[in-house]
Amino acid sequence: KAGVTQTPRYLIKTRGQQVTLSCSPISGHRSVSWYQQTPGQGLQFLFEYFSETQRNKGNFPGRFSGRQFSNSRSEMNVSTLELGDSALYLCASSVDGNTIYFGEGSWLTVV
Amino acid sequence: GENVEQHPSTLSVQEGDSAVIKCTYSDSASNYFPWYKQELGKGPQLIIDIRSNVGEKKDQRIAVTLNKTAKHFSLHITETQPEDSAVYFCAASGGGYQKVTFGIGTKLQVIP
Repeated sequence: KAGVTQTPRYLIKTRGQQVTLSCSPISGHRSVSWYQQTPGQGLQFLFEYFSETQRNKGNFPGRFSGRQFSNSRSEMNVSTLELGDSALYLCASSVDGNTIYFGEGSWLTVV
Repeated sequence: GENVEQHPSTLSVQEGDSAVIKCTYSDSASNYFPWYKQELGKGPQLIIDIRSNVGEKKDQRIAVTLNKTAKHFSLHITETQPEDSAVYFCAASGGGYQKVTFGIGTKLQVIP
């Protein structure tokens, strides 16, 4: 069974630009959640989607948004990038929202 | 919301010794406690988990214990090996729609 797939793996963006990250969950998993990982802050929850509906949202500004499609694939978008948005963005999928399985992440560098 | 505290933040052990990582949680409704191992450049990997109706669970060299009364849970790794070196995260969730909340992580170094 294929794992969680995230694309792109690495990207560099300039301040003020926007970025879209993609996630394909494990087959059969309807819950997709996103986390931001930075050295000082650990794993910070961004949001969780289940059957195209956002069920939970973390404490991030409105520049961070996401969506889920009918095939459970998900995207997250960050607009007006800031230097502090440089991080590893992790997608995780789950059957029930509790036992979550992570992808390898997308490394975002904002310059 | 849930708050998970994890310690120590770093841990060095000699190969063959045991390692223990401890976590506490705040929400008494939490009932699921997974542990993840993250190697350099990779995403976190689920290594073991425990539910609130169980006090201890073992899988070869790793075990997790849960004390619901004290809201503590711990990861025990016995006979450590160099390949156990990684960052370990504990987490807690309340079942249903509640999000998974992670501890800050413990960097484990196993010295050959």
